[in-house]
Amino acid sequence: GAVVSQHPSWVICKSGTSVKIECRSLDFQATTMFWYRQFPKQSLMLMATSNEGSKATYEQGVEKDKFLINHASLTLSTLTVTSAHPEDSSFYICSASSNTEAFFGQGTRLTVV
Amino acid sequence: QQQVKQSPQSLIVQKGGIPIINCAYENTAFDYFPWYQQFPGKGPALLIAIRPDVSEKKEGRFTISFNKSAKQFSLHIMDSQPGDSATYFCAANLGYKLSFGAGTTVTVRA
Repeated sequence: GAVVSQHPSWVICKSGTSVKIECRSLDFQATTMFWYRQFPKQSLMLMATSNEGSKATYEQGVEKDKFLINHASLTLSTLTVTSAHPEDSSFYICSASSNTEAFFGQGTRLTVV
Repeated sequence: QQQVKQSPQSLIVQKGGIPIINCAYENTAFDYFPWYQQFPGKGPALLIAIRPDVSEKKEGRFTISFNKSAKQFSLHIMDSQPGDSATYFCAANLGYKLSFGAGTTVTVRA
């Protein structure tokens, strides 16, 4: 299957700082990428849909100024958690779509201390 | 509001048993139904998927049964192994956007 690389796999940051997570599709061009958040023992919650060259579409209840998404190319989307707080600690997962199949990154464990 | 309902929340089987996970949906516009396997600390991995015009699909030990009229689909894991112990998510696709079920934690005991 297609490969989606997410980096970093884990990060610890201080409260008030910003963290950037990268998502790359390595062997296909993804016009659409998705960002999810997953709490322990829960399902994936879609945060936003990222389209190359245009603004991201955020799901209801997701603060777009806090979770900045950039999709600068067909193979790269980034999620920046701005002014992170402990409640932002979570597992963040990206996915990239190839036709109707979605391939997921390895996930990023964010811990805000 | 969860668009895809998944059950059970967890199940335990002995090695060689057949865990069965069920999902139900309401939106008949969904056009693609994938299943994902997730190990702790990892992203979900596509396991098998089916389209609504097919009633059954097999890939190795994994089988999807699809009942379009009942708006239900299920995953069967044949001859389950301890390495199959993971969380399984069903999903439904509409316009490249996936709606996930709540997940089922499967434990296969040796």
